[in-house]
Amino acid sequence: QVPLQESGPGLVKPSETLSLTCNVSGGSISSGTYSWGWIRQPPGKGLEWIGTVYHGGSTSYNPSFESRVIISVDTAKNQISLKLTSVTAADTGVYYCARRTNIAMIVGLPVFFFDSWGQGSLVIVSS
Amino acid sequence: DIQMTQSPSSLSASVGDRVTLTCRASQRIATYLNWYQQKPGKAPKLLIYATSSLPSGVPSRFSGSGSGTDFTLTISNVQPEDFATYYCQQSYSTPQYTFGQGTNLDVK
Repeated sequence: QVPLQESGPGLVKPSETLSLTCNVSGGSISSGTYSWGWIRQPPGKGLEWIGTVYHGGSTSYNPSFESRVIISVDTAKNQISLKLTSVTAADTGVYYCARRTNIAMIVGLPVFFFDSWGQGSLVIVSS
Repeated sequence: DIQMTQSPSSLSASVGDRVTLTCRASQRIATYLNWYQQKPGKAPKLLIYATSSLPSGVPSRFSGSGSGTDFTLTISNVQPEDFATYYCQQSYSTPQYTFGQGTNLDVK
């Protein structure tokens, strides 16, 4: 487990931008060994993958968020960040950052999973 | 998009029971299936990866099986600390990932 710590405003007004950062301890995020993701959980609901950032800064996003999300990496601060624009009440929830790890398979593609998670940051969208 | 469906949505058990949770994918995903355990107010924890592999520190009473579209998570001899919500997640369509809606295991 690598300590991950999310931080950011707990209250965001509708139509504004949600901004969170995730501080990664215990290793450099620029090493290239891992990638880093954001996953959210609306109150009382399940998990939803938002996107992943790779050590070089390239990204993959859930199509449901692609038009309004930016995930980036700051290697100098060993942080990853999430920006979600034009938020509505439906964006209320706990936002987790997580480390994505892969294991090579004997046959086929590597398997990817999220093996370290932050404690989560609750964001409420309300005026 | 690959949809993941878990059943049942809720399951009651007693300490010492053997329980089986099911996850079904909307298309074949080989063995690219992971399981997570989440306790109230806590972050999810990786429980099983690649269908049946246990990360270090996960008790051997947890086991996973399946291939293609149908997968199971079995807990033999349920312990008090096992009452939680369990999520499956496919990584076949990497870099796109989807989770199931979860199965809540509670005390009978």
